[in-house]
Amino acid sequence: DVKVTQSSRYLVKRTGEKVFLECVQDMDHENMFWYRQDPGLGLRLIYFSYDVKMKEKGDIPEGYSVSREKKERFSLILESASTNQTSMYLCASSFGGARNTEAFFGQGTRLTVV
Amino acid sequence: QKEVEQNSGPLSVPEGAIASLNCTYSDRVSQSFFWYRQYSGKSPELIMSIYSNGDKEDGRFTAQLNKASQYVSLLIRDSQPSDSATYLCAVTGNAGKSTFGDGTTLTVKP
Repeated sequence: DVKVTQSSRYLVKRTGEKVFLECVQDMDHENMFWYRQDPGLGLRLIYFSYDVKMKEKGDIPEGYSVSREKKERFSLILESASTNQTSMYLCASSFGGARNTEAFFGQGTRLTVV
Repeated sequence: QKEVEQNSGPLSVPEGAIASLNCTYSDRVSQSFFWYRQYSGKSPELIMSIYSNGDKEDGRFTAQLNKASQYVSLLIRDSQPSDSATYLCAVTGNAGKSTFGDGTTLTVKP
């Protein structure tokens, strides 16, 4: 059974804190993604990684960074959390290369910044 | 213009009817097309994938792809209340990066 696991389901952080969201997949997928989902705005790509130590900016990378030191783990970092980063964060993974298979999603982390 | 656009909804159909969901995309080199279903408070889950022009059927679901028109659709036959959810269209290019539409919320009324 394929699995993408996010470290927290709910998180409350204070403005200015450094926040780490962790994601682990057990499917040996090359690609990993971080999205945020807000009402009326759909799923927006923050960053994606197509290999270890490789990353590309998505549509809304400002205020975020990522780390992928191992193939199975992809971390999203909020350098200094702000209230406008309150959102649902979704991690996903997929095979890369020419296979273009579907993305599998983690359960999501609902982050509230106060 | 958004890269992936879906009919705005919300869409409401009676139980047993056909629900039709539409999606257009702007990038002509897009290679893979997916429909995800997302229940409230849950993560998206794949229900259909389609890679070549034409129709693809899986149970009550049919995906249709027309690359010339840059159009993807999803038909749900014999709609059930359990089909009530938000449906997301996703388009993937050759780099494997998916772009999602904003979603269409479907309500199936008993």
